[in-house]
Parts: sequence; structure tokens; C-alpha cells
Amino acid sequence: GQQLNQSPQSMFIQEGEDVSMNCTSSSIFNTWLWYKQDPGEGPVLLIALYKAGELTSNGRLTAQFGITRKDSFLNISASIPSDVGIYFCAGPESGGSNYKLTFGKGTLLTVNP
Amino acid sequence: NAGVTQTPKFQVLKTGQSMTLQCAQDMNHEYMSWYRQDPGMGLRLIHYSVGAGITDQGEVPNGYNVSRSTTEDFPLRLLSAAPSQTSVYFCASSYARDYAWVTQYFGPGTRLLVL
Repeated sequence: GQQLNQSPQSMFIQEGEDVSMNCTSSSIFNTWLWYKQDPGEGPVLLIALYKAGELTSNGRLTAQFGITRKDSFLNISASIPSDVGIYFCAGPESGGSNYKLTFGKGTLLTVNP
Repeated sequence: NAGVTQTPKFQVLKTGQSMTLQCAQDMNHEYMSWYRQDPGMGLRLIHYSVGAGITDQGEVPNGYNVSRSTTEDFPLRLLSAAPSQTSVYFCASSYARDYAWVTQYFGPGTRLLVL
């Protein structure tokens, strides 16, 4: 199956700093999704991207669909303590069911107040 | 609405035991799915269903059975638990339409330990 590679695996930052993380794949994706998982809870969708080059914002979060369609980026500006959690990229299986999502391994974000 | 509920929250099993993880939703969603999450790993799809009576396999279906007799419920059965099935299990539901993930809701998870 498809694999998504996320980097970095973890980040430890100070409150107020900006954060960047990315996700790459060896195959083309038609949709890129970014989720956040708070400790002890299920993931929640943050941003969905549908076409190459697309740049979408959700508050302090901005995500981009790479032009090659093999990567995506998530930026968080002016981080706050509640940004702590695991951020996952995901996408539906290429050429298959739209219901089958492949997830990256996640980026663990820690924010020091 | 209660959203997506999962029971139990925690469970300890011995190797070879069987059990059923329950998942229910009250949003009249057609699509339901089961994922497992292991330390340092993302979520991996086990099984999914696009409606009552319809199920299909995901990425890691071996060792798990599912059925969908009603729209509301989607139980996951472990017939003979193995230590490799120690994990956190998440159930999710959404409307079965294009861009289904936009309306997808995850449950709080069931933490399973197999000894």
C-alpha cells in the first residue's frame, strides 16, 4: 500500500514560535488531509486540500498541496500551548476507494509555555 | 447527539480470548470504519462499511471480523486475541459521499492490551 512520510517526527518549541511540518509520498495523491490528535482522543480534521498548488488556511494553520502532488506542508503560526498534540497527514488511496485513508506516522508537537 | 461512542474504554485480554469492541453513532451516517493506532504509527484501516449489510477490508484486516446489521452499530470482533493486537482502536463515521472525510467523526478510542 501507499506510504506517507512525515517529518519531523517530533518538535519541541516555545510558545509564540512558528511551526512547519511536511508529508511526502512516493506516489501521487489527489487529496491531502491534515488531522490533529489531542492526547487520549481521536483525530480531528483540520484542513483538506483538493488540487495541486492549493493553499488553505484555518485560523493560524496554513496548509499547501505540493505542485508535484507528492507532498504537502502544514504551518502553524504563533503557537500556543493548546497546539500540543500529534499532527497527521492522510489521503485516500490513489486509484481505489475514496473511503480508504492512508495516514502518516505523525509529528508530535510540544509547546513550552 | 452523543456522536461516536466506543465501549469499553480499556480492556485486558489473555492470548486466545475473544471479545467484541462496540461502536455506535447516532448521526445516521452511512460510512463507518475501524482503525488501529500503535505507538509511533499513524492510524491503519482495519475494516469499513458503507452501509448496513456492506463491509470491506482495509489495510490490516487479519484477525478481525466485522458485520453491519444496523446503520448505528459497527462492532469489531477479535476471535482469538494475540499480543500483536495490543493497540488503541478507533471507530469513525461519516456520510458516504464524495469527500466523506469532511464529515468524519472519530470516537474516543478503546485501549486493548493482550497478554
